[in-house]
Amino acid sequence: DSGVTQTPKHLITATGQRVTLRCSPRSGDLSVYWYQQSLDQGLQFLIQYYNGEERAKGNILERFSAQQFPDLHSELNLSSLELGDSALYFCASSVMDRGGYEQYFGPGTRLTVT
Amino acid sequence: AQKVTQAQTEISVVEKEDVTLDCVYETRDTTYYLFWYKQPPSGELVFLIRRNSFDEQNEISGRYSWNFQKSTSSFNFTITASQVVDSAVYFCALSEAYKAAGNKLTFGGGTRVLVKP
Repeated sequence: DSGVTQTPKHLITATGQRVTLRCSPRSGDLSVYWYQQSLDQGLQFLIQYYNGEERAKGNILERFSAQQFPDLHSELNLSSLELGDSALYFCASSVMDRGGYEQYFGPGTRLTVT
Repeated sequence: AQKVTQAQTEISVVEKEDVTLDCVYETRDTTYYLFWYKQPPSGELVFLIRRNSFDEQNEISGRYSWNFQKSTSSFNFTITASQVVDSAVYFCALSEAYKAAGNKLTFGGGTRVLVKP
C-alpha cells in the first residue's frame, strides 16, 4: 500500500458526460501528479500540483482540468467525454515538487466511456 | 525533449532464469533522474529504484540489480533467479532537474515479463 488513495476505483459513463476523479496524497507529501495509462498512448503525464499551485503541465486536453485543495487532496475533472478517454488514471504524490523525488502511485481509477 | 525507450515489449522466462530489461533514455539535461517501476497484474505502480545522473554506481537489492551506464544512456535492470511473483510489466522512467520540468516522469513503453513455473 503506497499510502495514496484514489476514488472511485471504477467508473463507467457515457460519451459527453463529465466525471471527477479524486486523490489523497501520502501523509506529508505536498506534490500531486496525474497520469493517464492507455493501450495506445502508454503512461502519460497530465499535470502536477505543488501545495495548491499548478507546477507542471503535460499533454492534458483542454476538456480536462485539475486542482489541489488546501487539505492537499486533488481532483481531476474530465468533461465532454469521448470513447478515447477510456483509460486508467493514476494519481501519484511526492514530498517535493522538483526532479529526483520518487513518486508513489495510487491504485488508479479505471474509466470506461461507452 | 526527453525520451525513454524500452525495446523489449515482452520477455518470457522459466522460473530461476535471469532476465535483463533494457532501458535507453534521451535527455538534454545534464542532471536527471532515472527510475524503475513495477506494475503487477493487480494494476498498481510500485516504485523500485531511483538513480541520479551523477551517481553511476550500480546497485543490488536482493535479486534485483541495476546497471547505469551514462556513456550509452542506458539503465538496465536484471532480475536474478526469477520467480513467478516477478511476472509484471516493468517501466523505466526519467525526470529532469530544470525548474520548469517540475518532477514529471517520462515513461518508457514498458516490458512485460512472464515467468513460467
